Amino acid sequence: GNSVTQMEGPVTLSEEAFLTINCTYTATGYPSLFWYVQYPGEGLQLLLKATKADDKGSNKGFEATYRKETTSFHLEKGSVQVSDSAVYFCALSDLEGYDMRFGAGTRLTVKP
Amino acid sequence: EADIYQTPRYLVIGTGKKITLECSQTMGHDKMYWYQQDPGMELHLIHYSYGVNSTEKGDLSSESTVSRIRTEHFPLTLESARPSHTSQYLCASRGSGRGYTFGSGTRLTVV
Repeated sequence: GNSVTQMEGPVTLSEEAFLTINCTYTATGYPSLFWYVQYPGEGLQLLLKATKADDKGSNKGFEATYRKETTSFHLEKGSVQVSDSAVYFCALSDLEGYDMRFGAGTRLTVKP
Repeated sequence: EADIYQTPRYLVIGTGKKITLECSQTMGHDKMYWYQQDPGMELHLIHYSYGVNSTEKGDLSSESTVSRIRTEHFPLTLESARPSHTSQYLCASRGSGRGYTFGSGTRLTVV
């Protein structure tokens, strides 16, 4: 079945550091890929998405590229801020049913 | 601006009480979901629905039940709460484009 493997955390960075959170997936067919962010005490919010190979999703300075050859969708940001401290979830979804699969989540803490 | 609403945000109740967690969405989505989120952050699907009068159990066994009498409403009920039910519960719906919209969650504590 479909699955997502996400880099384990927690990740602690200093402000303005470069961020990478790795995500790889296993899927049949052509899934869509997502990154969600969860701020403390909140639900998940869609951060960015990509629906086909080589698509790049971007939002709020975050980027991720759908790499079919490496089955990856790594999240990157060039310069993190304290306000980026949150939990990040990689996810994939196909057309069928409820099959949105989430990674285990990576907690990011950015220190001033 | 939230299009999916969960109430209450926080709930502390005693063991043995019956509770209902509310979830409503205004987007007309057919597919709705309940997730339980453990302290380690991982999400576990406990129930889902493809539309009115459709409900299914998810990957994680749960003592809760759900109903879907109206498209916009997907409440979750615990007939007799126990401390092991203490968790964060997240409701979501799915529209076109395959993405999910999540509510803000209900943090339940059973004492």
